[in-house]
Amino acid sequence: GNSVTQMEGPVTLSEEAFLTINCTYTATGYPSLFWYVQYPGEGLQLLLKATKADDKGSNKGFEATYRKETTSFHLEKGSVQVSDSAVYFCALVSGAGSYQLTFGKGTKLSVIP
Amino acid sequence: DGGITQSPKYLFRKEGQNVTLSCEQNLNHDAMYWYRQDPGQGLRLIYYSQIVNDFQKGDIAEGYSVSREKKESFPLTVTSAQKNPTAFYLCASSTALTTEAFFGQGTRLTVV
Repeated sequence: GNSVTQMEGPVTLSEEAFLTINCTYTATGYPSLFWYVQYPGEGLQLLLKATKADDKGSNKGFEATYRKETTSFHLEKGSVQVSDSAVYFCALVSGAGSYQLTFGKGTKLSVIP
Repeated sequence: DGGITQSPKYLFRKEGQNVTLSCEQNLNHDAMYWYRQDPGQGLRLIYYSQIVNDFQKGDIAEGYSVSREKKESFPLTVTSAQKNPTAFYLCASSTALTTEAFFGQGTRLTVV
């Protein structure tokens, strides 16, 4: 079956530090890959996505590249802000016509001034 | 504005009671989902529906029930058979074309 593995948190960084959150996956076929962000007490928001190998998703300074050879989709940001403090989820959808998202367990990021 | 609305935001249930969580979307999405979120466990799929009047069990369907009588609505009932219902519940919807899911703001259910 499909699975997503994320680095465990929590992760604490100082403002303007570089962020990497690792994500690897196991899936049949050619999955689409996503990063979602959850702010305290809220639902999930799509941060970025990539639908095929070597695609780079980007949004709000965050980036992730779909690496089929290493089955990875690591999230990066060059300079984090306090407002980036949230829980980040890596997810995938696999298979033609598939509706079901498979999520990682989430990584909590705290950015301190 | 288009989106997904979950209500209520907070819900308290007594032992042995059934409660229903509401989820409405005006995005014209075919598929809708219910997830349960517990600390440190990520999101787990309870039920999903791809079309009206049809739905399938997810990974943790025991103790829950759903209906899909209208495209816009996908209510979740937490029954008394659910032994540990205290959690954060998230509803989502998507289309087949993009597979990108849109989430509601969640309902926090607490058993008192």
